[in-house]
Amino acid sequence: NAGVTQTPKFRILKIGQSMTLQCAQDMNHNYMYWYRQDPGMGLKLIYYSVGAGITDKGEVPNGYNVSRSTTEDFPLRLELAAPSQTSVYFCASSYSQVEAFFGQGTRLTVV
Amino acid sequence: GENVEQHPSTLSVQEGDSAVIKCTYSDSASNYFPWYKQELGKGPQLIIDIRSNVGEKKDQRIAVTLNKTAKHFSLHITETQPEDSAVYFCAAAPNSGYSTLTFGKGTMLLVSP
Repeated sequence: NAGVTQTPKFRILKIGQSMTLQCAQDMNHNYMYWYRQDPGMGLKLIYYSVGAGITDKGEVPNGYNVSRSTTEDFPLRLELAAPSQTSVYFCASSYSQVEAFFGQGTRLTVV
Repeated sequence: GENVEQHPSTLSVQEGDSAVIKCTYSDSASNYFPWYKQELGKGPQLIIDIRSNVGEKKDQRIAVTLNKTAKHFSLHITETQPEDSAVYFCAAAPNSGYSTLTFGKGTMLLVSP
């Protein structure tokens, strides 16, 4: 049972480039989340989804987009990458609204 | 929205000592309070949680207490071991509607042998 799988683990982007962070879960969870983690700042919610076809903004959505076409996948899209998007990104899923299982993270550097 | 404050930001203890991490929250509607442990290079992992209908919950060396009147909750780790060294996050959420977790900024716990 893989749980929540994120790819890639590391990535360096140039300013203005775009990329998609992939997230997949095999636990049949309805709820999925994207967080970013900056040093000393905890986890900030970017976007979340309560089911296929339904997404909503979190606390820090600017510069990001998401889609949820299936229960299993919840990709995060960065358009026009900026240095402020340098962070560690975590995807999570849950079988209820609150108990979350996290992936291993994607460390993104924008230069 | 909810605001969660966590203290201290770093905590150093000797092996065998106890460690206490404290959090306060602002939204009186919050009724679910989990604690996550994050080891270096890994994602956070749930270690214990408490709901507002109880004041204390224990799981071996870990316990969480909740004071809803004062809007604060705490994580207690007894007989600390080097493998307890990690970053610990508290969080809060109302268990209604499409609620999401609001996290504290984390506490780095270092247990020295």
